[in-house]
Amino acid sequence: QLQLQESGPGLVTPSETLSLTCTVSGDSIRNDNYYWGWIRQPPGKGLEWIGSGYYSGSRYYNPSLKSRVTISVDMSKNQFSLKLTSVTATDAAVYYCARLPRGDFYFDSWGQGALVTVSS
Amino acid sequence: DIQMTQSPSTLSASVGDRVTITCRASQSISNWLAWYQQKPGKAPKLLIYEASSLESGVPSRFSGSGSGTEFTLTISSLQPDDFATYYCQQYHSPSTFGQGTQVDI
Repeated sequence: QLQLQESGPGLVTPSETLSLTCTVSGDSIRNDNYYWGWIRQPPGKGLEWIGSGYYSGSRYYNPSLKSRVTISVDMSKNQFSLKLTSVTATDAAVYYCARLPRGDFYFDSWGQGALVTVSS
Repeated sequence: DIQMTQSPSTLSASVGDRVTITCRASQSISNWLAWYQQKPGKAPKLLIYEASSLESGVPSRFSGSGSGTEFTLTISSLQPDDFATYYCQQYHSPSTFGQGTQVDI
C-alpha cells in the first residue's frame, strides 16, 4: 500500500530556505507510470500546486513560484524533496507531497501534510 | 494562467439531498479536471479524474460531468460522511485549483 510521508523543519526564518522531504513507501519512485509533486495550503485557505517531477529529470513548476522552487529526487532513498528559497510569511502553509499518474497530472495519493510556520 | 471558479462557496444541505457543485474554467481545459474531498485536518482525497472517471473505491453516489469550461460534481444522496470541502483542479496547463466549496449541514 502506497504511503507518502513529509518531513522537515516546522519553523523557518524569513528570507531563509524551506526544505521538505517526502519518503515514499509501497512503490518505487522510479515507477515509470508516475510523477511526484508538492502542493501547499495556507491555514484556512485553498490549495496551490507548487511543482511536479519525474525520477529521470523532467520538472514542472508553478510559474508564480518557479524562481524560488527546486524539486529533486533521491532514488537511493526513495525520496523526493522540495526547496523554496527566500521565504516570507505568505509561504506559511501545510505542505503536501503527492503522486501523479504520468500524463494525467492529478494527484491520486497524498501524504498527511507538514505544517511550516515562517517566523523569526 | 487558467483560473478556476467554483460555486457556490458554501452549501447547506441535509442527509439524502442531491448536491451539485459547479466549477468553471477561464478557458477550455477539455476534460482535464479532477475533484477532491477534504475534511478538516486531513489531506485531500481524489474523487473524480478526467472530469467523469470515478476513482477506485469512491462511492458511486459521486459523479462528475462536463467538458470545455463548465463542470459539475454531483452527490446523488448526501451521506453524513460527505460533509466536507470540495475542490476542483484543472491539469490542462499546468495545474490550478478552485477556491473550494464547503458542504455543511
